[in-house]
Amino acid sequence: KAGVTQTPRYLIKTRGQQVTLSCSPISGHRSVSWYQQTPGQGLQFLFEYFSETQRNKGNFPGRFSGRQFSNSRSEMNVSTLELGDSALYLCASSLRGGNQPQHFGDGTRLSIL
Amino acid sequence: AQSVTQLDSQVPVFEEAPVELRCNYSSSVSVYLFWYVQYPNQGLQLLLKYLSGSTLVKGINGFEAVFNKSQTSFHLRKPSVHISDTAEYFCAVIGDGGRQGNLIFGKGTKLSVKP
Repeated sequence: KAGVTQTPRYLIKTRGQQVTLSCSPISGHRSVSWYQQTPGQGLQFLFEYFSETQRNKGNFPGRFSGRQFSNSRSEMNVSTLELGDSALYLCASSLRGGNQPQHFGDGTRLSIL
Repeated sequence: AQSVTQLDSQVPVFEEAPVELRCNYSSSVSVYLFWYVQYPNQGLQLLLKYLSGSTLVKGINGFEAVFNKSQTSFHLRKPSVHISDTAEYFCAVIGDGGRQGNLIFGKGTKLSVKP
């Protein structure tokens, strides 16, 4: 069974640009969550989607947004990039969220110049 | 609010020695706990989970954890480590007793296994 797939693995952008990251969950998983990992703040929750609806949101500015498609694939978008957005962005999927174990992809490393 | 504290940021240990990575949580609601491992340039891999039942939880790669409600702890241990266990380990709790699907992570513990 294929795991969680995130594309691209690496991305370099400049301040002010926008970026879209993609996540394909494990087959049959309907919940997709996104996390940001930085050396200073650690792992922080961005948002969770279930059946194309955002069900839960972390404490991030509105520049961070996401969506989920009918096949459970998800994208997250960051607009007006700032230097502080440089991070590893991780996607995780689970069967239906809640207390179900989440399975992570290898992440997208975003660097802002 | 729920929180997770990993008491050691770095743990050096010799190969074949036992190791314990400590994790304390704070929660006023039902607790669902997880340990993840992260190897360099990779995502997080689930080691084990506690949802309910036995307080001794067995995981992959020979790891196990003990859930102690009275001490609000969920320590990870392995009786004999290998060089390949060198990685960063994260303890996490599910937010709001599972009503929300977000994981709340500790700051991580870097395990360094020396030959």
